[in-house]
Amino acid sequence: DAGVTQSPTHLIKTRGQHVTLRCSPISGHKSVSWYQQVLGQGPQFIFQYYEKEERGRGNFPDRFSARQFPNYSSELNVNALLLGDSALYLCASGRQATNEKLFFGSGTQLSVL
Amino acid sequence: GQQVMQIPQYQHVQEGEDFTTYCNSSTTLSNIQWYKQRPGGHPVFLIQLVKSGEVKKQKRLTFQFGEAKKNSSLHITATQTTDVGTYFCAGPRYNQGGKLIFGQGTELSVKP
Repeated sequence: DAGVTQSPTHLIKTRGQHVTLRCSPISGHKSVSWYQQVLGQGPQFIFQYYEKEERGRGNFPDRFSARQFPNYSSELNVNALLLGDSALYLCASGRQATNEKLFFGSGTQLSVL
Repeated sequence: GQQVMQIPQYQHVQEGEDFTTYCNSSTTLSNIQWYKQRPGGHPVFLIQLVKSGEVKKQKRLTFQFGEAKKNSSLHITATQTTDVGTYFCAGPRYNQGGKLIFGQGTELSVKP
């Protein structure tokens, strides 16, 4: 079975641009969560979607948005990029809304110059 | 706000030595999860503990959940070079089970 897939793997953007990151969860998983991981720190929760509905939002500005599609894949959008948005963006899928036992993708490394 | 803290931040050991990382939450947790992230990789689920005082073993790894369900530990016996990586504990945010709060992790390096 395929694991969680994320694209692209690496991305370089300049300040003010916007970016769209994509994630496909494990087949049968209906929950997708997005996390931001800055080097040397633990992942920080951004969003969770379950059955195509937003179930939680972390402490991130409105420049961050996401959605989940009928096939349970998901997109994370970040507008008006700042240098501080440079990080590894991780997508995690789970069977349940409670996010027990998350399966992470390999992430998208975003660099904002 | 709710916090999950881990100590130590770094641990360097000689191969064959034991290793322990400690996790403390500012609030009672319904469960605690442990993940391992290899250098350049992504977090991989190791285990979930649910019951007060629970102890689980996976080969050389022993996981404990405190009686008050506010702390946890991971102990590795006789470390190997394959144990290298960063170990994270994570707990669900109070009343918001879908959000996991991760500790800052303990980075383990093993000298052969």
